[in-house]
Amino acid sequence: QQQVKQSPQSLIVQKGGIPIINCAYENTAFDYFPWYQQFPGKGPALLIAIRPDVSEKKEGRFTISFNKSAKQFSLHIMDSQPGDSATYFCAASSWNTDKLIFGTGTRLQVFP
Amino acid sequence: EPEVTQTPSHQVTQMGQEVILRCVPISNHLYFYWYRQILGQKVEFLVSFYNNEISEKSEIFDDQFSVERPDGSNFTLKIRSTKLEDSAMYFCASTNEGGLAYDNEQFFGPGTRLTVL
Repeated sequence: QQQVKQSPQSLIVQKGGIPIINCAYENTAFDYFPWYQQFPGKGPALLIAIRPDVSEKKEGRFTISFNKSAKQFSLHIMDSQPGDSATYFCAASSWNTDKLIFGTGTRLQVFP
Repeated sequence: EPEVTQTPSHQVTQMGQEVILRCVPISNHLYFYWYRQILGQKVEFLVSFYNNEISEKSEIFDDQFSVERPDGSNFTLKIRSTKLEDSAMYFCASTNEGGLAYDNEQFFGPGTRLTVL
């Protein structure tokens, strides 16, 4: 119940495409859902995060869609660029903890 | 821009040896964390630390692990007797007063790659 399931494991898109990465959870106590971006040799860096009181959040080219009833959330990257090539992790946390539960990661490659 | 730093970047040790991984969190942060990432796998929570004590730990964080804030700037993770399965990337993170409850970002360091032979 503490897991966050992430798919796909890897994704290849052309420049300008819109990769979509999906995550699902079981624990209804989760109330914070961040997405992290990780480049090789670096630590994860927060990209965007959402709370369950909204269904969508947009920051620049990155959008989180959140479906509370389905217990799913997804990351959309608009007009993807080669510089977006990285591993993306979804995560979740509940109100009574600062522990982040990470998904298994999606390796995104954007080709020119 | 302030950042979390970690040393060393790579540590090689023999099984059974003690290792200490060091982190310097962002200076005004009050919550500190260790996570680990076994090669090719997801990032896993180990421990959180606030007000000079452990606030939460995972089942991975057994008696072989300990954390300490020996002074006002460093935050360390010690593994007393390393095992082969401890080989992983270890990430330190820190966040501001209030933690995630106030949407404060957890900032991650670049990690220490621990290799146990």
